[in-house]
Amino acid sequence: EVQVVESGGGLVKPGGSLRLSCAASGFTFSSYDMYWVRQAPGKGLEWVSSISSDSTYIFYADSVKGRFSISRDNARNSLYLQMNSLRAEDTAVFYCARSSGHLGSFDIWGQGTMVTVSS
Amino acid sequence: QSALTQPPSVSGSPGQSVTISCTGTSSDVGSNNRVSWYQQPPGTAPKLMIYEVSNRPSGVPDRFSGSKSGNTASLTISGLRAEDEADYYCSSHTSTSTYVFGIGTKVTVL
Repeated sequence: EVQVVESGGGLVKPGGSLRLSCAASGFTFSSYDMYWVRQAPGKGLEWVSSISSDSTYIFYADSVKGRFSISRDNARNSLYLQMNSLRAEDTAVFYCARSSGHLGSFDIWGQGTMVTVSS
Repeated sequence: QSALTQPPSVSGSPGQSVTISCTGTSSDVGSNNRVSWYQQPPGTAPKLMIYEVSNRPSGVPDRFSGSKSGNTASLTISGLRAEDEADYYCSSHTSTSTYVFGIGTKVTVL
């Protein structure tokens, strides 16, 4: 079965750090661009970051630039998001998503991992 | 990176058609055909319904169709069914290689 499973969420204090992981299975992970998308409680979807299949191209939303870092390990079929200097407004469910192969769309999503930033 | 504009809600009776608009700018929706649509029932992950403006992934009913004119994309659901009740989001790739989502539209089946 093609799937991605996120982990690493939790409660962290403002200014703290957290590392999210996304384990991929059922497809050739190294062939696909990957993404992180988040959704604050009761709010809409927000694209966070993208990484190309070979890590050559990396992009971030302005809201996280300089604080978050995306990476991947194709040998381990894993995607990561290192989050530093966390703020209350970063509280959200973080989804890992796979490129559909058609630029601009994401066809496989995980169930999400909740990140809560609060003192 | 302002969110794309969508109506907060639309509604229709079973069997009717509803259309959701998604308005952006010449830097996103108007700059390419990389517009997609996602369905998100409460408490679940988003599901891809339309990619590249008007293409349906395998398994998505042909009741769902997409189009675009200028800076505005649209999703039409024909023959509305109870199971279509969900939040719908548009998304666009941008001219700076980022992505932007719409604010979301709640579809209610009366």
